Amino acid sequence: AQKVTQAQTEISVVEKEDVTLDCVYETRDTTYYLFWYKQPPSGELVFLIRRNSFDEQNEISGRYSWNFQKSTSSFNFTITASQVVDSAVYFCALSEAFSGGSNYKLTFGKGTLLTVNP
Amino acid sequence: DGGITQSPKYLFRKEGQNVTLSCEQNLNHDAMYWYRQDPGQGLRLIYYSQIVNDFQKGDIAEGYSVSREKKESFPLTVTSAQKNPTAFYLCASSILGQTRTFGSGTRLTVV
Repeated sequence: AQKVTQAQTEISVVEKEDVTLDCVYETRDTTYYLFWYKQPPSGELVFLIRRNSFDEQNEISGRYSWNFQKSTSSFNFTITASQVVDSAVYFCALSEAFSGGSNYKLTFGKGTLLTVNP
Repeated sequence: DGGITQSPKYLFRKEGQNVTLSCEQNLNHDAMYWYRQDPGQGLRLIYYSQIVNDFQKGDIAEGYSVSREKKESFPLTVTSAQKNPTAFYLCASSILGQTRTFGSGTRLTVV
């Protein structure tokens, strides 16, 4: 069975601090995808990144970076120089590889509430 | 602009009533999904549909029903059989096997 654990329920930082959100996953699949979504107070889930299990390169997008380590089953997300607008709930998610006609199951962690204070 | 529209944003239901949540997408996506979110919890899948006139139960389908008569629309009915319906409901759509796009949600409260 798939499982995603986000051990940090809430994190509070001061603007301009760097912050890392942890994500640990469990799966028996050899091919899978990992995601991060952002949920601002408005409620909509905003897609941030999708990474497949064969690509362990770290990725950077502006102030965001992701560290995928298959050896420790982790896919951590770092925000550099945080801003108040980064305040949101962040979800890590795991899906099996799409296999033709079946729905690929997307399993979410419980989310981490990040509050960035001015 | 393409996207997913959920309505209403807030919905109040009396005990014993059925209510229907609307989800419309103009992304030409084949697949559509309904998720439930409770405070401090991740999203749980209620129902999904990969093609018109076909849908499948997710992890927590009891007390809910759906229809998929048009590609663009996937309404969710919360029936009186759902004992704890107060939650935030999110609709999503995708091209099969691709990343899901989410709507802005409907907050349902039982009064």
